Amino acid sequence: DAGVIQSPRHEVTEMGQEVTLRCKPISGHNSLFWYRQTMMRGLELLIYFNNNVPIDDSGMPEDRFSAKMPNASFSTLKIQPSEPRDSAVYFCASSMDRGQPQHFGDGTRLSIL
Amino acid sequence: QKEVEQNSGPLSVPEGAIASLNCTYSDRGSQSFFWYRQYSGKSPELIMSIYSNGDKEDGRFTAQLNKASQYVSLLIRDSQPSDSATYLCAVNNAGNMLTFGGGTRLMVKP
Repeated sequence: DAGVIQSPRHEVTEMGQEVTLRCKPISGHNSLFWYRQTMMRGLELLIYFNNNVPIDDSGMPEDRFSAKMPNASFSTLKIQPSEPRDSAVYFCASSMDRGQPQHFGDGTRLSIL
Repeated sequence: QKEVEQNSGPLSVPEGAIASLNCTYSDRGSQSFFWYRQYSGKSPELIMSIYSNGDKEDGRFTAQLNKASQYVSLLIRDSQPSDSATYLCAVNNAGNMLTFGGGTRLMVKP
C-alpha cells in the first residue's frame, strides 16, 4: 500500500514568494494533519482535517498560512508571502480517525532565502 | 507545563544493553499512547501502540503504561547501533488528537 505522499521533497525559494506544499493521504484515512518541525520547537501541529473539514487550525502561525482539503485524497498547505523564519520540515500525516495512529509522509524540506 | 514531556537526551547506551526511554503526560483522560522513531533527516515512523495498563512486547521493543502515574516508557532490548535515533512519545488528548513530546535522542555505541 502506498503511504502518505508529499511533494515537493525539497523547496528553496526567495522571501516573499508563494509556497504550496501538497499531500495525498493514505486511501481510507479520514483524518489529515499538517505539522512543522524545527530544531528549536520540535514537531508542531498546524492544522488537521476530519472528513475533509478543517477541525482545528489553532496551530497555524499567522494569516500567511492557509490549508485546504478539496477532497479525500488531496490537501495543500500554502504560505503567502513566505519568510525566512518559515524554513522548516513540513510533514503531512493521516490516520483512520482522530486519536488513531498517524502515518507520516516523507516531508517537505522548505528553505526560504 | 508541556502536555507530554520527555528527556531530550542524548541517552547513550552500549550495544547489547537495554535502552529505557520515558515519557510523562498531563491529560488524565488520555487513552492511546504511541512511540515513534525518527532517524535524522527522515519522517517519524510508528513503532509501538499501547492502550491499557501494563506491558506490550513486540520483538525487542516493550512499551509500558501506567495511567495512575501518567507515565509511559519504551524499552529496547539488545540495543543495536541501528536503533540510534530520536524517539517521540505521542499521547491522544481530550480533543482526540495526538500530542507529541519533544523526543529523546538515543545513541547506541558499538
